[in-house]
Amino acid sequence: DQQVKQNSPSLSVQEGRISILNCDYTNSMFDYFLWYKKYPAEGPTFLISISSIKDKNEDGRFTVFLNKSAKHLSLHIVPSQPGDSAVYFCAASAKSDSWGKLQFGAGTQVVVTP
Amino acid sequence: NAGVMQNPRHLVRRRGQEARLRCSPMKGHSHVYWYRQLPEEGLKFMVYLQKENIIDESGMPKERFSAEFPKEGPSILRIQQVVRGDSAAYFCASSPLTGTSERQETQYFGPGTRLLVL
Repeated sequence: DQQVKQNSPSLSVQEGRISILNCDYTNSMFDYFLWYKKYPAEGPTFLISISSIKDKNEDGRFTVFLNKSAKHLSLHIVPSQPGDSAVYFCAASAKSDSWGKLQFGAGTQVVVTP
Repeated sequence: NAGVMQNPRHLVRRRGQEARLRCSPMKGHSHVYWYRQLPEEGLKFMVYLQKENIIDESGMPKERFSAEFPKEGPSILRIQQVVRGDSAAYFCASSPLTGTSERQETQYFGPGTRLLVL
């Protein structure tokens, strides 16, 4: 069963504009959320995370928003740059799982155009 | 400080052969995780190990798959009698610990091993 869902398989955005990536989850036990970025033939690279006790976390161009009542989180990238073209994965974990298991969405392919 | 290392990067096996995938965690990390990514899908958790202990293997297929993380040396993911459906990218991640009472510890990923079963 897919407990973390990224319903948009792809997103195209112009350089300099905002990229908004969405993620939904079904397991109410999840209490920590992460975003990873992945280039082809490489492993995922950690971007930003958020605990369920917060509703927003910001790091440079990246901001993650968490809406617990809707079981929804989003990643905002502003301004988008050509190097941001990659696949972005949302992941979630639960303290009840001793944090060890990350559950990933299927990913969103972002293409930043000039 | 070297990152997570995996070898081989690419592995080709014929059906029925064994595949051994190795993972050296980042220096100072004693927790290792294995994930599998099938084409067009996200990463799926397989197993979480600490030195000499399997902590969570809930994502590991019951047959043919095994994992270890010995006191010395890399973590090994072993697949016996491979079948075509085992073709995938296998990623290893490591962390210094899993987390505190308040937060997940970041898992750092290796470049992956791409297994192709002919």
